[in-house]
Amino acid sequence: AQSVSQHNHHVILSEAASLELGCNYSYGGTVNLFWYVQYPGQHLQLLLKYFSGDPLVKGIKGFEAEFIKSKFSFNLRKPSVQWSDTAEYFCAVKNDYKLSFGAGTTVTVRA
Amino acid sequence: DTAVSQTPKYLVTQMGNDKSIKCEQNLGHDTMYWYKQDSKKFLKIMFSYNNKELIINETVPNRFSPKSPDKAHLNLHINSLELGDSAVYFCASSQARGLLRGYTFGSGTRLTVV
Repeated sequence: AQSVSQHNHHVILSEAASLELGCNYSYGGTVNLFWYVQYPGQHLQLLLKYFSGDPLVKGIKGFEAEFIKSKFSFNLRKPSVQWSDTAEYFCAVKNDYKLSFGAGTTVTVRA
Repeated sequence: DTAVSQTPKYLVTQMGNDKSIKCEQNLGHDTMYWYKQDSKKFLKIMFSYNNKELIINETVPNRFSPKSPDKAHLNLHINSLELGDSAVYFCASSQARGLLRGYTFGSGTRLTVV
């Protein structure tokens, strides 16, 4: 069974700091990788996705993620966070019809 | 235009009741899903339908029964509600198994069982 691990449960940082959230998955076949964001009280929104090609993927709101196949990782980064980036971030891995989520990382950005 | 809409947004009900949550998507997607998000924010897939056919049925109590009358609708019926069913339930849809644009999620239904 595949699983998705997010290393950080809660990250607290100041505005303008850099952010990196770790994500590892345990499936050896072809996978599609996603990062979703859930702002307080809202539904999940797609930040970025990787299917194939360039392993460095750029998404919305200045986020990017790097797929490292040898490490089964898909870490999310943002060079300079804003207060509005406070949210829950979910890594997700898809094979066939099933999209499996990590446990999520709560990011709190202090002004 | 709401792409994936769920009703109701909030549902408070007593233990033992039967309730339904409705989901509709106007994106022309062929696959729909129900996810449950617990109090710790963990998201877990419950069901998935592709062209009205059940393709994913995770380990979910049989009190939960999905129904897909057509490709644009996937409803979730819950019998004999229990306290542990309290959660946020998200409907989602995708096209071509989400290969092109990922999944689109609804705004969620917060179910509280008292």
